[in-house]
Amino acid sequence: GESVGLHLPTLSVQEGDNSIINCAYSNSASDYFIWYKQESGKGPQFIIDIRSNMDKRQGQRVTVLLNKTVKHLSLQIAATQPGDSAVYFCAEKVDSGYALNFGKGTSLLVTP
Amino acid sequence: KAGVTQTPRYLIKTRGQQVTLSCSPISGHRSVSWYQQTPGQGLQFLFEYFSETQRNKGNFPGRFSGRQFSNSRSEMNVSTLELGDSALYLCASSLADRGREQFFGPGTRLTVL
Repeated sequence: GESVGLHLPTLSVQEGDNSIINCAYSNSASDYFIWYKQESGKGPQFIIDIRSNMDKRQGQRVTVLLNKTVKHLSLQIAATQPGDSAVYFCAEKVDSGYALNFGKGTSLLVTP
Repeated sequence: KAGVTQTPRYLIKTRGQQVTLSCSPISGHRSVSWYQQTPGQGLQFLFEYFSETQRNKGNFPGRFSGRQFSNSRSEMNVSTLELGDSALYLCASSLADRGREQFFGPGTRLTVL
């Protein structure tokens, strides 16, 4: 069936290093993807999005890469900081409405 | 601009009861979506409303229902609560005509005993 999944459930990086969080999707018709960050006790926070007609999009310290050939999405965080510690979710848009299909999430832990 | 607000933040109910959760979207946002978040299933889509109409519905039983008012505020209702309904219920709003970004509220933590 159609699904969005994450390769790694947990990721530990040292402060200052770059982080890469990966996501696989199986629905080739998906045309929009979002990365969210969720801190403990809070709702998901929008980080960055990308449409299927793009391969790369950059934000502040974050870059999202989309490889449609292998249906793979990644989030790169530059110079990771302790405040980046959170669970990161990728999500895809599945139809003409605004329903998002979320992956299970990757927990990012930034160590000093 | 104020973010998405949800009330109440925490709720404890017993099996068989019903519950109503409320969501106020960001001012100007007309689309409101609801999600259930559990450790086992992650974030799952419940339903989406736009201009008081339900446009999308996830794979949840009929005990889960919702509505949207003319001011875009939304409520969801769960009847005949089951233990498995314990979850964080998240509401998200978006500008339907601008893009697809959904902005989430802090959620309502529902515990069913």
